[in-house]
Amino acid sequence: GENVEQHPSTLSVQEGDSAVIKCTYSDSASNYFPWYKQELGKGPQLIIDIRSNVGEKKDQRIAVTLNKTAKHFSLHITETQPEDSAVYFCAALRAGGSYIPTFGRGTSLIVHP
Amino acid sequence: DGGITQSPKYLFRKEGQNVTLSCEQNLNHDAMYWYRQDPGQGLRLIYYSQIVNDFQKGDIAEGYSVSREKKESFPLTVTSAQKNPTAFYLCASSIQGRAGELFFGEGSRLTVL
Repeated sequence: GENVEQHPSTLSVQEGDSAVIKCTYSDSASNYFPWYKQELGKGPQLIIDIRSNVGEKKDQRIAVTLNKTAKHFSLHITETQPEDSAVYFCAALRAGGSYIPTFGRGTSLIVHP
Repeated sequence: DGGITQSPKYLFRKEGQNVTLSCEQNLNHDAMYWYRQDPGQGLRLIYYSQIVNDFQKGDIAEGYSVSREKKESFPLTVTSAQKNPTAFYLCASSIQGRAGELFFGEGSRLTVL
């Protein structure tokens, strides 16, 4: 089955800095990579995703990149703000059918004002 | 507004007691899921259901049971056989075949005294 490794487990940055979270996956057939943000005491929320037919996707201050050859993908947050503080999860799966996502262990991002 | 409702938000139980966590969705999603979240462990799949009256075990199903009698509802029972039940439990739903695009509830925190 799929195995997803996520690093770092904790990331502390100053407001305005950039933050990068990296994930690797094992199943070369995986072709859909969503990222979730979980604020304290709440359920995770899908914030951005990328499919294997593109190498990068941006949405305002967040971007995801994918390297299929190396089987790794990353979340980039620029100009971080205190409200970006949360736990971020990456996931990987084969899109469609009955496939279920495999999640990374999560990264706790702390943005200091 | 459409969404997923989990109840109760906090639950305490004594060892040896079964407890049932409620999950209701009005998103008209066919698929529903239960995850367990422990610090540093990420999101681990307990059970999932792709359609009414059918469900499958996830990675950590031992000590749990589910039912799916209605499309809108997917209750989880934590039985006395679950050796370490204290955790944060998350319910999610998705359109069938789009399991990477999960909609999560706000979670239920179970504490065994």
